[in-house]
Amino acid sequence: AQSVTQLDSHVSVSEGTPVLLRCNYSSSYSPSLFWYVQHPNKGLQLLLKYTSAATLVKGINGFEAEFKKSETSFHLTKPSAHMSDAAEYFCVVTLSSGGYNKLIFGAGTRLAVHP
Amino acid sequence: DAMVIQNPRYQVTQFGKPVTLSCSQTLNHNVMYWYQQKSSQAPKLLFHYYDKDFNNEADTPDNFQSRRPNTSFCFLDIRSPGLGDAAMYLCATSNRGADTQYFGPGTRLTVL
Repeated sequence: AQSVTQLDSHVSVSEGTPVLLRCNYSSSYSPSLFWYVQHPNKGLQLLLKYTSAATLVKGINGFEAEFKKSETSFHLTKPSAHMSDAAEYFCVVTLSSGGYNKLIFGAGTRLAVHP
Repeated sequence: DAMVIQNPRYQVTQFGKPVTLSCSQTLNHNVMYWYQQKSSQAPKLLFHYYDKDFNNEADTPDNFQSRRPNTSFCFLDIRSPGLGDAAMYLCATSNRGADTQYFGPGTRLTVL
């Protein structure tokens, strides 16, 4: 069965320091994995997507994630946090069902960025 | 720019008064989804359409209905909103077989 665990519900960093948001997944087949970001009262924006082409995936706004099959992890990183990065981040795995791909969401990680 | 549009962005209704939320898309995707997202929670899929083929999630209450009159538009009808239905409602689209979904900005529903 497909599932996602986000290991931290809240992460707090100072502006200019690295960001690490952790995600472990469980999948019975080679998964598609995503990170979405949601700013307050906004919809979800796709940050990046892994589909087995390359284990290191670069996304928008300087974010990247590395797929590690041996650790079943897909952690999101950014070298230097910006105030505008403060938001909720969701790690997502897809579940194929009857020709459709359902999104299985993690519980989310709230990132706070302090001056 | 191709996009997913939701109207209104904020909706206030009274307990038990029917309400309709709207979603439109210019991506020409054949699948449209409705999600409910309560405060500090992940989005929860309510149902989706592949073209006019409606697919309800098993645990979606009967109080929630949907219509898709054409490829571009999809509506969420809440027949008798309760206080527990206050949430952000998100519309998303994709092509069938594609795993990437594109989300609209959401409608924040308040029930008084």
